[in-house]
Amino acid sequence: AQKVTQAQTEISVVEKEDVTLDCVYETRDTTYYLFWYKQPPSGELVFLIRRNSFDEQNEISGRYSWNFQKSTSSFNFTITASQVVDSAVYFCALRGYSTLTFGKGTMLLVSP
Amino acid sequence: EAGVAQSPRYKIIEKRQSVAFWCNPISGHATLYWYQQILGQGPKLLIQFQNNGVVDDSQLPKDRFSAERLKGVDSTLKIQPAKLEDSAVYLCASSTPGTGDQETQYFGPGTRLLVL
Repeated sequence: AQKVTQAQTEISVVEKEDVTLDCVYETRDTTYYLFWYKQPPSGELVFLIRRNSFDEQNEISGRYSWNFQKSTSSFNFTITASQVVDSAVYFCALRGYSTLTFGKGTMLLVSP
Repeated sequence: EAGVAQSPRYKIIEKRQSVAFWCNPISGHATLYWYQQILGQGPKLLIQFQNNGVVDDSQLPKDRFSAERLKGVDSTLKIQPAKLEDSAVYLCASSTPGTGDQETQYFGPGTRLLVL
């Protein structure tokens, strides 16, 4: 069975602070994909990134960066210089040979 | 490119009533998914279609939930009769199988259902 754990239920930061959202996963599949989605108050899940299990290179996209470490089964997400518009619920998800499994999400509140 | 469309956006019904949700996937996406997202939790897959065939409906409460995708494009999810615990957001997603992006699902805005 697959499992995704996002231990941080809610994080509050002040604008311009850096923030890291943690994600730990479990799977027996040898090939799998990891995802991050953003869910703003409007409710739509917005795709941010996909990473396959064979690619452990970290990725940076603007203020966003992702750190994939297979040895610790973690796929953490860092927002640099956070902004109010980053306020949302962020979901980490895992897909192996079966369905897409989501974590419970981390609510990020960025105050001005 | 147009995204996944869903309607209605909001629905309030009384328990034991029936309700239906509609989804139109991204053009060309053969795979369509329905998820249930209860407040404070991540989405949970209800059913997956490949074209008009069901791939996975193992978590669909078949005594009250049904879904169809007759022509391999639009899909309808129905609940009959609704229970209080069905209050949730129902998300539709689609993806393209057989390409490099096959593992990425794109989601619609969801339908927020409140059962009183």
